Amino acid sequence: DAKTTQPPSMDCAEGRAANLPCNHSTISGNEYVYWYRQIHSQGPQYIIHGLKNNETNEMASLIITEDRKSSTLILPHATLRDTAVYYCIVWRGSGNTGKLIFGQGTTLQVKP
Amino acid sequence: KAGVTQTPRYLIKTRGQQVTLSCSPISGHRSVSWYQQTPGQGLQFLFEYFSETQRNKGNFPGRFSGRQFSNSRSEMNVSTLELGDSALYLCASSLNGGADTQYFGPGTRLTVL
Repeated sequence: DAKTTQPPSMDCAEGRAANLPCNHSTISGNEYVYWYRQIHSQGPQYIIHGLKNNETNEMASLIITEDRKSSTLILPHATLRDTAVYYCIVWRGSGNTGKLIFGQGTTLQVKP
Repeated sequence: KAGVTQTPRYLIKTRGQQVTLSCSPISGHRSVSWYQQTPGQGLQFLFEYFSETQRNKGNFPGRFSGRQFSNSRSEMNVSTLELGDSALYLCASSLNGGADTQYFGPGTRLTVL
């Protein structure tokens, strides 16, 4: 599975959009981009995933570049409760592996 | 629909003991994966079970084992506990594994003294 690169930390003002980047330059054509977040000592929470097209759900938007080598997770109106570690994962998921490979993630601090 | 549940939430053991952790997946989910999270190593995959069979295994010693029951509930066991086994143990369930989205439980915090 492809490796991802994320900035170790970011700050965002409450109420503003939080844009979290992720580089995955070695991604393969059949690998998905997944985003999870983990609030202190809780289980990771699924946010969103995509393959080629941009995706949006009630939590966030996922923008994937045309060459698929990078993506951005957008939290449109960040709140203090969005303070967490955000993990970008690229995952083929084939072969019945069920194995997610987590990197170090980005610690997002939302400030009042 | 209820989420993934894990019991117990907190556990304290001493070196040399063994421990069993339990995970109940989301109703209808047949795949359960287990992960270990430590400050030094981050989140690491332990193993995945589907239809009572282990389908994939991470790079952990044989002291770590698991099983899955016919109702998809899963247990993991750690024998001969070491101080380094202190960690947050997480399970995640998905419909059928593979590319299906995994949903995590709250974890079991194991402390080995």
